[in-house]
Amino acid sequence: GDSVTQMEGPVTLSEEAFLTINCTYTATGYPSLFWYVQYPGEGLQLLLKATKADDKGSNKGFEATYRKETTSFHLEKGSVQVSDSAVYFCALSYNNNDMRFGAGTRLTVKP
Amino acid sequence: DAGVIQSPRHEVTEMGQEVTLRCKPISGHDYLFWYRQTMMRGLELLIYFNNNVPIDDSGMPEDRFSAKMPNASFSTLKIQPSEPRDSAVYFCATKRAGSTDTQYFGPGTRLTVL
Repeated sequence: GDSVTQMEGPVTLSEEAFLTINCTYTATGYPSLFWYVQYPGEGLQLLLKATKADDKGSNKGFEATYRKETTSFHLEKGSVQVSDSAVYFCALSYNNNDMRFGAGTRLTVKP
Repeated sequence: DAGVIQSPRHEVTEMGQEVTLRCKPISGHDYLFWYRQTMMRGLELLIYFNNNVPIDDSGMPEDRFSAKMPNASFSTLKIQPSEPRDSAVYFCATKRAGSTDTQYFGPGTRLTVL
């Protein structure tokens, strides 16, 4: 079945470092792709999404490009802040109902 | 908007007891989802409703789990009897109708079964 695989964490970076969290997907069709973020003690929040190949989603300095040729949707940010410390989830869905989430990647940013 | 409201935020119970988790969706949202999050299995969709009707309950682990949505403003997830392996964070999420709309998650209920 359709699924998402993301890099295992935890990831620890210093403030202002460059961030990449890898995400690859397996899909029979052409799903939408998402990145969600979960801050401590809270539910998941949508960070960004892309609905078709070559689309770039962006929000709060984060961005990810839907790459059909490599079946990837890697999350990047040029300069992380301590406040970006959270767990990041990659996900796919065809209809925004049946969401398939990756295992999550914990990011810790140190001052 | 108050967002998705879940109660209780934390629940500690003993094995064999009945547990009821509650969710109040965002007003106007037609879909409601129940998820379970554990370290071992990650985030799993248990069941979801559209206009108060269960659409897909294939993720419900076993008959001990049941979910209801008696009206557009309220849903429950019940575990009876509870077991230690049910310990997890349970999230409720809701969204409007339409395939492009996003799911909005509540803060979750952390359940511990002793």
